[in-house]
Amino acid sequence: GQQLNQSPQSMFIQEGEDVSMNCTSSSIFNTWLWYKQDPGEGPVLLIALYKAGELTSNGRLTAQFGITRKDSFLNISASIPSDVGIYFCAGYSGGGADGLTFGKGTHLIIQP
Amino acid sequence: DAGVIQSPRHEVTEMGQEVTLRCKPISGHDYLFWYRQTMMRGLELLIYFNNNVPIDDSGMPEDRFSAKMPNASFSTLKIQPSEPRDSAVYFCASSLVHEQFFGPGTRLTVL
Repeated sequence: GQQLNQSPQSMFIQEGEDVSMNCTSSSIFNTWLWYKQDPGEGPVLLIALYKAGELTSNGRLTAQFGITRKDSFLNISASIPSDVGIYFCAGYSGGGADGLTFGKGTHLIIQP
Repeated sequence: DAGVIQSPRHEVTEMGQEVTLRCKPISGHDYLFWYRQTMMRGLELLIYFNNNVPIDDSGMPEDRFSAKMPNASFSTLKIQPSEPRDSAVYFCASSLVHEQFFGPGTRLTVL
């Protein structure tokens, strides 16, 4: 099946730093989604991207749908303690609503 | 909006027992998904429904797993008999089209 390669696996940063993570695939995706998961909770949708080249922001978060449709990135500016968690990229390759393909996640840890 | 509701939040059972996980999707959503999350394999799609009809169950591990959606507001995932390797967090999600919204999950431990 399709796979999404998400990197880095984990990030150790200082509060206030900017964060960048990305997701790549050998296959074309038509939709990219970015989720955040806190311990003991389900993934929460942060940003959805529908067009190649699209750049979308949600507060301090910015995500882009790669031009080749095979990648996406997520940036977090000026990180704060509540940004800690696991960030997942996910994508659809089909045209309709189907099961999402998920990356393995990026574990963000903010050091005091 | 209450979001996706799952019950129970935690389930501990012994090997061989039947386990039933429950999900109430967001009202108006046509799609319902069941996922399993483990450290080793990450998030895996088990099965999904559209308008209460199962569309793709290719992710269901084996015949011990079954899922039903008797109406638009309720779905169950059943494991019978359960095995220790079934221990995981099981998520239900629902959507109108592409944006899936997840429930809080059921943490299943099979001893």
